[in-house]
Amino acid sequence: QVQLVQSGGEVKKPGATVKVSCKASGYTFTNYVFTWVRQAPGQGLEWLGWISPKNGNTYYEQKLQGRVTMTTETSTSTAYMELRSLTSDDTAVYYCARGRNLGDPSAEYWGQGTLVTVSS
Amino acid sequence: DIQMAQSPSSVSASVGDRVTITCRASQGIASWLAWYQQKPGKAPRLLIYAASSLQSGVPSRFSGSGSGTDFTLTISSLQSEDFATYYCQQTNSFPFTFGPGTKVDIK
Repeated sequence: QVQLVQSGGEVKKPGATVKVSCKASGYTFTNYVFTWVRQAPGQGLEWLGWISPKNGNTYYEQKLQGRVTMTTETSTSTAYMELRSLTSDDTAVYYCARGRNLGDPSAEYWGQGTLVTVSS
Repeated sequence: DIQMAQSPSSVSASVGDRVTITCRASQGIASWLAWYQQKPGKAPRLLIYAASSLQSGVPSRFSGSGSGTDFTLTISSLQSEDFATYYCQQTNSFPFTFGPGTKVDIK
């Protein structure tokens, strides 16, 4: 069965960098795109970006440009999301999600979420 | 960027009620729309993709309709496990924006 298992919660100081991992299993890793989404406490869902493990193509939410990098490691079937220069506004639960297929990015499977807390 | 609006922002309903949630895109997105259900402390769950296709395993009381800019999610007979927040998302063009959500709670 398809599973996405994310890394554990992180506490970071303002200005630091966080890297969240998302290990996939149960399917052919390169055949499906990944999306990253975050949810600040008590808020709605915010789309962060998209990556295709097949060719490494990415698209990031404009307001995160320059601070975010999404990558995949085919050998371990793992996706990563790195966010730099953290501020308190980045405190949120971060989710990875797998698209339905290469042509449809609707998020069919989700990781359990990783809480990132930014606090001095 | 395409903006997504949802209405209502919240709705109080009883078990057995028919509930309709509307999602409007700021520009045409054909049928590139998904609906998700999220319960507190849990990851979202895909309910509907391509505006009207029911995701595998989702009860048939959920249905989606619409194309272009106006879309609807309908729960034909609300069950206790359906009390949650519902989000629409456009997947027509980057960034794949979400709507602000509609909370369905108990009347």
